[in-house]
Amino acid sequence: AQKITQTQPGMFVQEKEAVTLDCTYDTSDQSYGLFWYKQPSSGEMIFLIYQGSYDEQNATEGRYSLNFQKARKSANLVISASQLGDSAMYFCAMRGVQTGANNLFFGTGTRLTVIP
Amino acid sequence: KAGVTQTPRYLIKTRGQQVTLSCSPISGHRSVSWYQQTPGQGLQFLFEYFSETQRNKGNFPGRFSGRQFSNSRSEMNVSTLELGDSALYLCASSLDGALSYEQYFGPGTRLTVT
Repeated sequence: AQKITQTQPGMFVQEKEAVTLDCTYDTSDQSYGLFWYKQPSSGEMIFLIYQGSYDEQNATEGRYSLNFQKARKSANLVISASQLGDSAMYFCAMRGVQTGANNLFFGTGTRLTVIP
Repeated sequence: KAGVTQTPRYLIKTRGQQVTLSCSPISGHRSVSWYQQTPGQGLQFLFEYFSETQRNKGNFPGRFSGRQFSNSRSEMNVSTLELGDSALYLCASSLDGALSYEQYFGPGTRLTVT
C-alpha cells in the first residue's frame, strides 16, 4: 500500500527566506513517482515538481527543489526566496506502477504562511 | 493551451438528490481522474478514465460513478446524495499513465449537500 506522511500541519516563513516542507512515503513499488502540488485558497491544485524513483539527481523547477533521499524514503520540498504568493496548502503525492496508472496518493498537506 | 475546466464551480443539492459534474481535460489528454477533497478525509482518488474506459477505481460506494466520452470529456455522477458527500471534487487530466506525466487539475466543483 502507498502512504504519504506530511508531519507539519502548518509552517511560517519570513519573506525572502527559504523553507523546507517535509514528506515521507512508504511503498512496495520499485518504480514510483513523487509530486508536489500547491493549492491556493481558490482550490485549484497547481503542479510544482516531479521526482522519479530512479532519478539520480534531485529535481529543480525555478525556486522549487526536491530533496530526494531514497534510502530514508523522504522527498522534501524546498522553496527558496519565499514570496507572499507562496502562502497556500502544499501537498506531497506519489504514484506507483503496481497501484494503477494514474491514481495519486496524497499526504494531508502543510499550510505555508509567508510573513512580510 | 487551455487548462482543465470543470462545471459547475459551485453546487448546492439536498439529500437524496443526484448530481452530475463535468470535466473537460486539456486538449490531447486522454486520461481523466477524479478526486474528492474533504477536511476530514483529505484528498481521495475516486476513479480514472482512459480512452472511454474506467481504468482504476478508488474505494467509494457505487453511488459514485463516471464516464468518459470520445472527446475525453468526463462526467461523474453521485446518486442519492448524503451530507457527507459535501466536498470539493477535483478533476485531473494527463497524457497517459506514465509515471512521469504530471496530472493537471481543474479548479474543482464545490458541492454542498443540505
